[in-house]
Amino acid sequence: KAGVTQTPRYLIKTRGQQVTLSCSPISGHRSVSWYQQTPGQGLQFLFEYFSETQRNKGNFPGRFSGRQFSNSRSEMNVSTLELGDSALYLCASSLEWTGATDTQYFGPGTRLTVL
Amino acid sequence: AQSVTQLDSHVSVSEGTPVLLRCNYSSSYSPSLFWYVQHPNKGLQLLLKYTSAATLVKGINGFEAEFKKSETSFHLTKPSAHMSDAAEYFCVVSPGNKLVFGAGTILRVKS
Repeated sequence: KAGVTQTPRYLIKTRGQQVTLSCSPISGHRSVSWYQQTPGQGLQFLFEYFSETQRNKGNFPGRFSGRQFSNSRSEMNVSTLELGDSALYLCASSLEWTGATDTQYFGPGTRLTVL
Repeated sequence: AQSVTQLDSHVSVSEGTPVLLRCNYSSSYSPSLFWYVQHPNKGLQLLLKYTSAATLVKGINGFEAEFKKSETSFHLTKPSAHMSDAAEYFCVVSPGNKLVFGAGTILRVKS
């Protein structure tokens, strides 16, 4: 099975712009989660989608949004970019993500640099 | 709220010697705990997970972890370090529909 794929792998944007990142989960997986990784804050949960519905959301401003399509592919969008949004954005997929018995598989990430 | 604390930000070992990466958790009930590894410029890979089936959990690449409720610990061990083990390791707890990560421990393996 192909793993979780994320596109693009690298992005450079300037402050005030917006960006869209894409994630394709493992075939058959219906849950997609997004995480932000920075040197200062570490790995932080952004949101989780299951069957096109956002089930859980982390403590991020409304500039961060996401969606999931009927084929389970997911996108996240960051509007009005700030320097502090520079980070590695990781996507993870799982079958249903019940937490206890399911496993999240991570993609390689998208490295976003905001200038 | 559930959380994890990784007690060492950096650990350095010689190749062939044991590895010990320490993690304490905070949870009001029996948690789901994981160890993930991240090699430079790579995504996260699951090493092992604890879901209350057995207190000693065996993972990939010779790693294992023991859940100790009395000590609220979930330390990661490996009998003999290999150069390829050099990476950052994350202890993780799952309080529902998300993962909560520790700050990470960078493992250095000296030849």
